[in-house]
Parts: sequence; C-alpha cells; structure tokens
Amino acid sequence: TQLLEQSPQFLSIQEGENLTVYCNSSSVFSSLQWYRQEPGEGPVLLVTVVTGGEVKKLKRLTFQFGDARKDSSLHITAAQPGDTGLYLCAGLKEYGNKLVFGAGTILRVKS
Amino acid sequence: DSGVTQTPKHLITATGQRVTLRCSPRSGDLSVYWYQQSLDQGLQFLIQYYNGEERAKGNILERFSAQQFPDLHSELNLSSLELGDSALYFCASSDRGGYTFGSGTRLTVV
Repeated sequence: TQLLEQSPQFLSIQEGENLTVYCNSSSVFSSLQWYRQEPGEGPVLLVTVVTGGEVKKLKRLTFQFGDARKDSSLHITAAQPGDTGLYLCAGLKEYGNKLVFGAGTILRVKS
Repeated sequence: DSGVTQTPKHLITATGQRVTLRCSPRSGDLSVYWYQQSLDQGLQFLIQYYNGEERAKGNILERFSAQQFPDLHSELNLSSLELGDSALYFCASSDRGGYTFGSGTRLTVV
C-alpha cells in the first residue's frame, strides 16, 4: 500500500485540454513536492508546498496543498505535448527526513 | 545537467554478481539519498547519508550497502544480484529544499 495515492495512474488527452492530478494520503506532511520525470532521466522538482491551503502557480501549472496537509493537486491548463511525462508527488512527513513518493501519473498529451 | 552525477549510466551483469554504483552530489549538498525505481514498485527510498554518516534507512535489502566518503561522493554496493534487482537506481542530493536527482543507473541482471 502506497502512503501517497496518486490518481489517475494514466491520462491521455488532446492538446489544449485541462487536467487535474490528485495526490492523497491519510498522513500529515510537513511539505509536499511535485516532480516531473521524462524517460531516461531523473525526476525534476517542479514545486514545494509547505502551508495548508497554499496555492502555487508555475506558468500553466497550479499546485494546491490541502488545508489539513494530507493531500495535494496539480492542475494543468491548456496542456501541450511538451507536458508529456511522469508526474510524481512526494511528501516529507512531520519529524521525518526522507521523501516518500507516490506511484506517479503518466500524462500523454497528443497534438 | 542537474549537478548530481551518477555512473555508470547502464550496467548489465549476471545473477550472483556484485556491482558498485557511484554518485557525486551537487556541490555544497551534504545529504545523499538512494532510490530504486521499478515498474511495479515506483520510487522506493533505500538509504540516506548526511556528511558521511547514515541518517535514514528505507526498504534496503541486506545484500545492499552504501557509504558516503569524506569528499561527499557516495557508493551503493549491490551483491548476490538477483533478476528482481533489475531497476533504475537514482541518487539525489538536497540542501534542505527539494531533491536534485541524477540521471540514474539502469541495472539489468541477466
């Protein structure tokens, strides 16, 4: 059982569509991070959220941390083929010092 | 280039053998983390070192060991290899913020 549950596992959409990826847990995290990984490469950090209810925007990507710091979402507006990749959420538990990763969401954006 | 260097990029070896994976963290980062990524398990934390000392242990098998040297580079040693050890092995370093990952070592055990 994953400590962080990501959904959906796989998403295939057309260019220009919007999408949301969810990351849920029953545990509280001191911070939550989102990474994007392309084939043959390591994950690359997109954002870190640390405050319950926090919203961060990165161009067309909007990240939200749940009020109770147990969940997060990633919303992409007007998806482009360049957004294709594996999106991973990762949480740092309170009093912990290692990141725990979700299983990831594979996003494919077709042109 | 993320600043975290992993070698080798690819490794093919036979069952029962031993291999060493190497990681040089980003300049100034004291923490090194090792992760294993497989299709069925996702990214699994193995072990963390901080300034030469083991700080945290995850799902690391007894056949696996790691160390961090005075120059802060780290090595992950995998012995008595089994087919199921085939995976991507990533090293990451951090400076209290997010992790910076290397490009990984793809290990194939045949």
